[in-house]
Amino acid sequence: GAVVSQHPSRVICKSGTSVKIECRSLDFQATTMFWYRQFPKKSLMLMATSNEGSKATYEQGVEKDKFLINHASLTLSTLTVTSAHPEDSSFYICSARDVGGGSGNEQFFGPGTRLTVL
Amino acid sequence: GNSVTQMEGPVTLSEEAFLTINCTYTATGYPSLFWYVQYPGEGLQLLLKATKADDKGSNKGFEATYRKETTSFHLEKGSVQVSDSAVYFCALNPTTSGTYKYIFGTGTRLKVLA
Repeated sequence: GAVVSQHPSRVICKSGTSVKIECRSLDFQATTMFWYRQFPKKSLMLMATSNEGSKATYEQGVEKDKFLINHASLTLSTLTVTSAHPEDSSFYICSARDVGGGSGNEQFFGPGTRLTVL
Repeated sequence: GNSVTQMEGPVTLSEEAFLTINCTYTATGYPSLFWYVQYPGEGLQLLLKATKADDKGSNKGFEATYRKETTSFHLEKGSVQVSDSAVYFCALNPTTSGTYKYIFGTGTRLKVLA
């Protein structure tokens, strides 16, 4: 149980295009999902907290117009990198919090999406 | 504020050696503590967790004990294998903030040589 998937696992795009990354909780409902960014050989940086049915809460320094987050259902959150540039190339990881189970505040992580912008 | 401090890596060990990766934390209240492992090119996998003082989390030969008196959650394994080579992250989930945000350590890279 408590499986989180991400799609795609890898994406390569041209500079100036937009890329959408999906994060799904497969066997539980998640009112809260989190989006992280990880630079090579670095720790995870929390970008935003995604709340179902409401606007995402962005961390300081993260451009909300650049990284659009939508959490339209209890099992799906999407991150859209708009007008991507090479500096947006990174590993993006989502996580989800299971509100219905007995796991309390534990987050379950997706496998990550490698974005490369040419 | 809340924070997690991990020992600097990389850590290089021979197969069957004993492993310790130190993790200390700063938090108010009684946070939950986690160790995650990340293999090359993959996401994070939960290795073990502890939710209250003196709890011992264990999995796949790894273990860590929640020590409130020393605010530590050190990861140990008695005999490492080459397949344990990965990056290990210590994380804290504060129970008082209401935001459910995790605080991650910087990660420790482990390399096990045959």
